[in-house]
Amino acid sequence: DAEITQSPRHKITETGRQVTLACHQTWNHNNMFWYRQDLGHGLRLIHYSYGVQDTNKGEVSDGYSVSRSNTEDLPLTLESAASSQTSVYFCASSEVVDSYNEQFFGPGTRLTVL
Amino acid sequence: DAKTTQPPSMDCAEGRAANLPCNHSTISGNEYVYWYRQIHSQGPQYIIHGLKNNETNEMASLIITEDRKSSTLILPHATLRDTAVYYCIVGYSGNTPLVFGKGTRLSVIA
Repeated sequence: DAEITQSPRHKITETGRQVTLACHQTWNHNNMFWYRQDLGHGLRLIHYSYGVQDTNKGEVSDGYSVSRSNTEDLPLTLESAASSQTSVYFCASSEVVDSYNEQFFGPGTRLTVL
Repeated sequence: DAKTTQPPSMDCAEGRAANLPCNHSTISGNEYVYWYRQIHSQGPQYIIHGLKNNETNEMASLIITEDRKSSTLILPHATLRDTAVYYCIVGYSGNTPLVFGKGTRLSVIA
């Protein structure tokens, strides 16, 4: 069955380190998204991509970057991790069919920055 | 910012219908209403969507008012496994990213 996976599921890092979170989907979807979720907030969009070589900034993109070199993967990089980036990160993918804008979400990565 | 307003929490007895309201008074003519839910610690899951007409699938029903300024998600026979945060989202049918608000935390009580 097609799926979307994230790795690692849990990560502890130190302030200032570069961290990359992986997202891999086998749906062959063109659209991929990264969100973060913090207590008291819903999911907030970080970056998204509509296809290979395409990336776009979301609501909270500062301190994060993405690159899309193939359809299946959209890695999220924290260039210099900060304590404010401690959060749960969700990756999602979608493909629009008619009016259908269903996003399929991964299981999440819990990141702690000390 | 999210274009929807939802109550922060609701309770529902197991086996009864859960009716989750959503206000989206600024919705535009070609925007859809989507509902997702997030069970504890998991990624959100799509439930249902609609434009103007009421919709039903195997998970839920969606009732949209005639003026489209509000909607109600109905879980006809809530179970304990329906305990989750439910998000009402307004968005276009294309690739536009969805904007999640804080949702409604539904607690189904035995």
